[in-house]
Amino acid sequence: GENVEQHPSTLSVQEGDSAVIKCTYSDSASNYFPWYKQELGKRPQLIIDIRSNVGEKKDQRIAVTLNKTAKHFSLHITETQPEDSAVYFCAASTPGAGSYQLTFGKGTKLSVIP
Amino acid sequence: ETGVTQTPRHLVMGMTNKKSLKCEQHLGHNAMYWYKQSAKKPLELMFVYSLEERVENNSVPSRFSPECPNSSHLFLHLHTLQPEDSALYLCASSLNPAGTAVGGELFFGEGSRLTVL
Repeated sequence: GENVEQHPSTLSVQEGDSAVIKCTYSDSASNYFPWYKQELGKRPQLIIDIRSNVGEKKDQRIAVTLNKTAKHFSLHITETQPEDSAVYFCAASTPGAGSYQLTFGKGTKLSVIP
Repeated sequence: ETGVTQTPRHLVMGMTNKKSLKCEQHLGHNAMYWYKQSAKKPLELMFVYSLEERVENNSVPSRFSPECPNSSHLFLHLHTLQPEDSALYLCASSLNPAGTAVGGELFFGEGSRLTVL
């Protein structure tokens, strides 16, 4: 099955700096990569996603890049703000027999220091 | 508010108790899920229901028993649990199967924090 590795497990940045979280996946058939954000004590929520036919996608201060050859994808947050502090989960979706398998990484706890 | 409601939010139970977790969604979604979230571990998929039919059971011990009486409600029945079962149990729903690029976004509930003594 698919295996998703996520690094780093914790990340601290100064407010205004950029943050980068990286994920690698093992199954070359995976074709959809969502990112979820979970604030402390709250539910995970989808913040951005990318399909395998696209190399980069941006939404205001967040962007995701995908390198299919190397089988890795990354989340980039620019001009970080305290409200960006949360746990971020990457995931990879692998098509199967009439369905999809969504595999999550272990998560990255991002702390933005004011 | 994402439209997925879980009760109770917190539950403490002994190893011999029987309890149930409840999840409710009124988003018109076709699929519902139970995930287990433990510290320093990936989100673990437990069960998947699609159109009220269980389509996946991810090698979960039989002390966890899901029930989906209709497309809006999902239960997780718990009995004779172990301390290592203590975790946050998240319910989620999606319009299409999770992982589908269109309509596959997971909408999570707030979770039920379970402590097994």
